[in-house]
Amino acid sequence: DTGVSQNPRHKITKRGQNVTFRCDPISEHNRLYWYRQTLGQGPEFLTYFQNEAQLEKSRLLSDRFSAERPKGSFSTLEIQRTEQGDSAMYLCASSRTGNTEAFFGQGTRLTVV
Amino acid sequence: KNEVEQSPQNLTAQEGEFITINCSYSVGISALHWLQQHPGGGIVSLFMLSSGKKKHGRLIATINIQEKHSSLHITASHPRDSAVYICAVVTGANSKLTFGKGITLSVRP
Repeated sequence: DTGVSQNPRHKITKRGQNVTFRCDPISEHNRLYWYRQTLGQGPEFLTYFQNEAQLEKSRLLSDRFSAERPKGSFSTLEIQRTEQGDSAMYLCASSRTGNTEAFFGQGTRLTVV
Repeated sequence: KNEVEQSPQNLTAQEGEFITINCSYSVGISALHWLQQHPGGGIVSLFMLSSGKKKHGRLIATINIQEKHSSLHITASHPRDSAVYICAVVTGANSKLTFGKGITLSVRP
């Protein structure tokens, strides 16, 4: 297992376009988190999945954002009608229930122009 | 006030110096992470602590649960230690992370 994998690593999109990111967690990890990091700031929590169930969503996750984890394995994060303020690094992390150690992917850097 | 505060904000050191980075938090936690982030790169977990002290190579992390404070020490610092160091606390039943802003460390040769 090569750890948490995120694709793409970089995405440049025009304002108003939709984008989708993918996260493949470590295979035996049932917990999956999405975080967003803007320049000069620490990451902020977006959403949490336990297996396929989305159990928590941040107020940061506006109605333009949707996340899925259909089979409890990989997850996708979609942003509709992107805005310049969506430009950020989107990080995925995974862990196992009963173990608070989190493993991070390399992130997807989104630039909205 | 942020739930996780780090100090100093930025830090420049000379190679070989002993470095301390501090983290204070204001919420109940189940554990605390020290994370390292290189420019353009992802995040690597250096330590996860729930009590006491851990050591890995030149890095030492301590936590005082009563005082809600943790420190990361780097002994014999090296330019390759230059990175952003982020403190993150584990909270809630979902074990999500709440992060500090991070400290940019630059070690000069």
